Amino acid sequence: KQEVTQIPAALSVPEGENLVLNCSFTDSAIYNLQWFRQDPGKGLTSLLLIQSSQREQTSGRLNASLDKSSGRSTLYIAASQPGDSATYLCAVTLLGGNNRLAFGKGNQVVVIP
Amino acid sequence: DAGITQSPRHKVTETGTPVTLRCHQTENHRYMYWYRQDPGHGLRLIHYSYGVKDTDKGEVSDGYSVSRSKTEDFLLTLESATSSQTSVYFCASIQGSSTGELFFGEGSRLTVL
Repeated sequence: KQEVTQIPAALSVPEGENLVLNCSFTDSAIYNLQWFRQDPGKGLTSLLLIQSSQREQTSGRLNASLDKSSGRSTLYIAASQPGDSATYLCAVTLLGGNNRLAFGKGNQVVVIP
Repeated sequence: DAGITQSPRHKVTETGTPVTLRCHQTENHRYMYWYRQDPGHGLRLIHYSYGVKDTDKGEVSDGYSVSRSKTEDFLLTLESATSSQTSVYFCASIQGSSTGELFFGEGSRLTVL
Protein backbone atom coordinates (compact mmCIF):
# COMPACT_ATOMS: atom_id res chain seq x y z
CA LYS A 1 0.00 0.00 0.00
CA GLN A 2 1.29 3.44 -0.94
CA GLU A 3 2.02 5.63 2.08
CA VAL A 4 2.54 9.36 1.67
CA THR A 5 4.14 11.29 4.52
CA GLN A 6 4.49 15.02 5.12
CA ILE A 7 6.52 16.25 8.03
CA PRO A 8 6.14 18.52 9.95
CA ALA A 9 2.37 18.71 10.29
CA ALA A 10 2.58 22.43 11.02
CA LEU A 11 5.18 25.17 10.72
CA SER A 12 5.47 28.94 10.97
CA VAL A 13 7.90 31.16 9.08
CA PRO A 14 8.51 34.92 9.00
CA GLU A 15 7.39 36.77 5.92
CA GLY A 16 10.08 36.88 3.26
CA GLU A 17 11.69 33.58 4.15
CA ASN A 18 11.74 30.74 1.67
CA LEU A 19 9.42 27.83 2.49
CA VAL A 20 10.55 24.26 2.02
CA LEU A 21 7.96 21.50 2.33
CA ASN A 22 8.82 17.83 2.05
CA CYS A 23 6.81 14.85 0.90
CA SER A 24 7.88 11.21 0.88
CA PHE A 25 6.17 8.16 -0.60
CA THR A 26 6.89 4.48 -0.21
CA ASP A 27 6.27 3.09 -3.72
CA SER A 28 8.02 4.65 -6.71
CA ALA A 29 5.48 3.17 -9.18
CA ILE A 30 3.54 6.38 -9.78
CA TYR A 31 2.17 8.28 -12.76
CA ASN A 32 2.73 11.68 -11.26
CA LEU A 33 2.84 13.75 -8.09
CA GLN A 34 0.71 16.79 -7.37
CA TRP A 35 0.97 19.54 -4.80
CA PHE A 36 -2.29 21.07 -3.62
CA ARG A 37 -3.19 24.07 -1.52
CA GLN A 38 -6.18 24.08 0.83
CA ASP A 39 -7.51 27.19 2.54
CA PRO A 40 -9.73 26.81 5.64
CA GLY A 41 -13.25 25.69 4.71
CA LYS A 42 -12.34 25.31 1.06
CA GLY A 43 -11.56 22.55 -1.40
CA LEU A 44 -8.14 21.67 -2.72
CA THR A 45 -6.53 23.60 -5.54
CA SER A 46 -3.82 21.99 -7.64
CA LEU A 47 -0.60 24.02 -7.59
CA LEU A 48 1.87 21.91 -9.53
CA LEU A 49 1.83 18.54 -11.22
CA ILE A 50 5.05 16.66 -11.94
CA GLN A 51 4.97 13.70 -14.29
CA SER A 52 6.98 10.67 -13.24
CA SER A 53 9.46 11.32 -16.06
CA GLN A 54 10.10 14.90 -14.92
CA ARG A 55 12.44 16.21 -12.23
CA GLU A 56 10.76 19.53 -11.46
CA GLN A 57 8.04 22.01 -12.27
CA THR A 58 7.89 25.74 -11.70
CA SER A 59 5.09 28.26 -11.48
CA GLY A 60 5.91 31.76 -10.37
CA ARG A 61 7.36 31.62 -6.85
CA LEU A 62 6.65 27.89 -6.60
CA ASN A 63 9.03 25.15 -7.56
CA ALA A 64 8.50 21.45 -6.99
CA SER A 65 11.07 18.72 -7.46
CA LEU A 66 10.62 14.98 -7.75
CA ASP A 67 13.10 12.22 -7.03
CA LYS A 68 11.08 9.15 -7.84
CA SER A 69 13.82 6.65 -7.05
CA SER A 70 14.16 7.89 -3.49
CA GLY A 71 10.44 8.54 -3.07
CA ARG A 72 10.73 12.24 -2.33
CA SER A 73 9.34 15.54 -3.49
CA THR A 74 10.02 19.06 -2.26
CA LEU A 75 7.90 22.16 -2.70
CA TYR A 76 9.78 25.46 -2.53
CA ILE A 77 7.93 28.73 -2.09
CA ALA A 78 10.23 31.70 -2.55
CA ALA A 79 9.92 34.88 -0.50
CA SER A 80 6.88 33.75 1.47
CA GLN A 81 3.94 36.11 1.99
CA PRO A 82 1.09 36.07 4.53
CA GLY A 83 -1.21 35.03 1.68
CA ASP A 84 0.76 31.79 1.42
CA SER A 85 -0.67 30.71 4.77
CA ALA A 86 -2.61 27.52 4.05
CA THR A 87 -2.36 23.76 4.22
CA TYR A 88 -0.26 22.16 1.49
CA LEU A 89 -0.90 18.54 0.53
CA CYS A 90 0.99 16.28 -1.79
CA ALA A 91 -0.52 13.31 -3.58
CA VAL A 92 0.73 10.60 -5.92
CA THR A 93 -1.29 9.00 -8.69
CA LEU A 94 -1.12 5.24 -8.44
CA LEU A 95 -0.20 3.11 -11.42
CA GLY A 96 -3.05 0.93 -12.67
CA GLY A 97 -5.46 2.46 -10.21
CA ASN A 98 -8.03 4.31 -12.34
CA ASN A 99 -6.31 7.60 -11.57
CA ARG A 100 -6.64 7.06 -7.85
CA LEU A 101 -4.48 9.26 -5.67
CA ALA A 102 -2.83 8.65 -2.31
CA PHE A 103 -2.63 11.81 -0.20
CA GLY A 104 -0.35 12.98 2.56
CA LYS A 105 -1.96 14.61 5.58
CA GLY A 106 -0.55 18.01 4.72
CA ASN A 107 1.70 20.73 6.09
CA GLN A 108 -0.20 23.58 7.78
CA VAL A 109 1.80 26.73 7.08
CA VAL A 110 1.53 30.11 8.78
CA VAL A 111 3.54 33.01 7.36
CA ILE A 112 4.02 35.63 10.07
CA PRO A 113 3.93 39.26 8.89
CA ASP B 1 -10.79 25.89 -13.05
CA ALA B 2 -13.05 22.92 -13.59
CA GLY B 3 -16.69 23.52 -12.78
CA ILE B 4 -17.46 21.18 -9.91
CA THR B 5 -20.28 21.95 -7.53
CA GLN B 6 -21.42 20.03 -4.49
CA SER B 7 -24.78 20.14 -2.79
CA PRO B 8 -25.73 20.59 -0.09
CA ARG B 9 -22.74 22.48 1.28
CA HIS B 10 -23.88 21.99 4.86
CA LYS B 11 -26.23 19.45 6.36
CA VAL B 12 -27.21 18.37 9.85
CA THR B 13 -29.07 15.11 10.19
CA GLU B 14 -29.94 12.49 12.77
CA THR B 15 -28.51 9.03 13.23
CA GLY B 16 -30.25 6.43 11.11
CA THR B 17 -31.50 8.73 8.38
CA PRO B 18 -30.39 8.36 4.75
CA VAL B 19 -28.39 11.21 3.25
CA THR B 20 -27.47 11.90 -0.37
CA LEU B 21 -24.72 14.27 -1.44
CA ARG B 22 -24.56 15.42 -5.03
CA CYS B 23 -21.57 16.28 -7.17
CA HIS B 24 -22.04 17.98 -10.51
CA GLN B 25 -19.25 18.71 -13.01
CA THR B 26 -19.45 20.55 -16.29
CA GLU B 27 -16.07 19.51 -17.71
CA ASN B 28 -17.03 16.15 -19.22
CA HIS B 29 -14.45 14.46 -17.00
CA ARG B 30 -14.52 10.69 -17.13
CA TYR B 31 -13.28 10.00 -13.59
CA MET B 32 -15.00 11.20 -10.43
CA TYR B 33 -14.22 10.58 -6.77
CA TRP B 34 -15.69 11.01 -3.32
CA TYR B 35 -13.32 11.64 -0.41
CA ARG B 36 -13.86 12.36 3.24
CA GLN B 37 -11.50 14.58 5.19
CA ASP B 38 -11.08 14.18 8.94
CA PRO B 39 -8.52 15.59 11.37
CA GLY B 40 -5.65 13.17 11.84
CA HIS B 41 -6.68 11.06 8.85
CA GLY B 42 -6.30 13.40 5.93
CA LEU B 43 -8.20 12.64 2.73
CA ARG B 44 -9.55 9.13 2.34
CA LEU B 45 -11.18 7.74 -0.79
CA ILE B 46 -14.73 6.46 -0.33
CA HIS B 47 -15.79 5.48 -3.85
CA TYR B 48 -14.83 6.44 -7.35
CA SER B 49 -16.26 6.20 -10.86
CA TYR B 50 -14.40 5.56 -14.11
CA GLY B 51 -17.41 6.07 -16.36
CA VAL B 52 -21.18 6.16 -16.45
CA LYS B 53 -22.49 3.29 -14.30
CA ASP B 54 -18.90 2.17 -13.60
CA THR B 55 -17.98 2.56 -9.95
CA ASP B 56 -15.66 0.93 -7.46
CA LYS B 57 -14.88 1.02 -3.76
CA GLY B 58 -12.18 3.04 -2.12
CA GLU B 59 -10.52 2.48 1.25
CA VAL B 60 -13.45 3.56 3.47
CA SER B 61 -16.55 2.46 1.55
CA ASP B 62 -18.52 0.72 4.32
CA GLY B 63 -21.85 2.46 4.92
CA TYR B 64 -21.70 4.38 1.64
CA SER B 65 -23.03 3.76 -1.85
CA VAL B 66 -22.68 5.73 -5.07
CA SER B 67 -24.38 6.09 -8.40
CA ARG B 68 -23.43 7.66 -11.68
CA SER B 69 -26.21 7.70 -14.26
CA LYS B 70 -24.79 10.63 -16.22
CA THR B 71 -21.26 11.81 -16.91
CA GLU B 72 -21.81 15.04 -15.02
CA ASP B 73 -23.39 13.71 -11.82
CA PHE B 74 -21.95 11.51 -9.08
CA LEU B 75 -24.12 10.85 -6.04
CA LEU B 76 -22.93 9.66 -2.64
CA THR B 77 -25.51 8.05 -0.35
CA LEU B 78 -25.16 7.29 3.32
CA GLU B 79 -27.68 4.51 3.69
CA SER B 80 -28.19 4.98 7.44
CA ALA B 81 -26.09 7.83 8.79
CA THR B 82 -23.98 7.30 11.91
CA SER B 83 -22.06 9.78 14.05
CA SER B 84 -18.79 8.36 12.69
CA GLN B 85 -19.81 9.69 9.30
CA THR B 86 -19.68 13.27 10.53
CA SER B 87 -17.07 14.72 8.22
CA VAL B 88 -16.31 17.02 5.33
CA TYR B 89 -16.92 15.31 2.01
CA PHE B 90 -15.13 16.34 -1.15
CA CYS B 91 -15.90 15.45 -4.71
CA ALA B 92 -13.16 15.52 -7.34
CA SER B 93 -12.85 14.86 -11.04
CA ILE B 94 -10.11 14.41 -13.60
CA GLN B 95 -9.82 14.41 -17.34
CA GLY B 96 -9.56 11.00 -18.94
CA SER B 97 -5.81 10.77 -18.62
CA SER B 98 -3.53 9.53 -15.88
CA THR B 99 -1.42 12.62 -16.40
CA GLY B 100 -4.03 15.23 -15.61
CA GLU B 101 -4.71 17.45 -12.65
CA LEU B 102 -7.38 16.54 -10.13
CA PHE B 103 -10.02 19.23 -9.57
CA PHE B 104 -12.00 19.48 -6.33
CA GLY B 105 -15.36 20.80 -5.29
CA GLU B 106 -15.76 23.11 -2.29
CA GLY B 107 -16.83 20.36 0.08
CA SER B 108 -19.98 19.32 1.93
CA ARG B 109 -19.91 19.49 5.71
CA LEU B 110 -22.11 16.78 7.21
CA THR B 111 -22.98 16.55 10.89
CA VAL B 112 -24.76 13.45 12.17
CA LEU B 113 -26.31 13.90 15.62
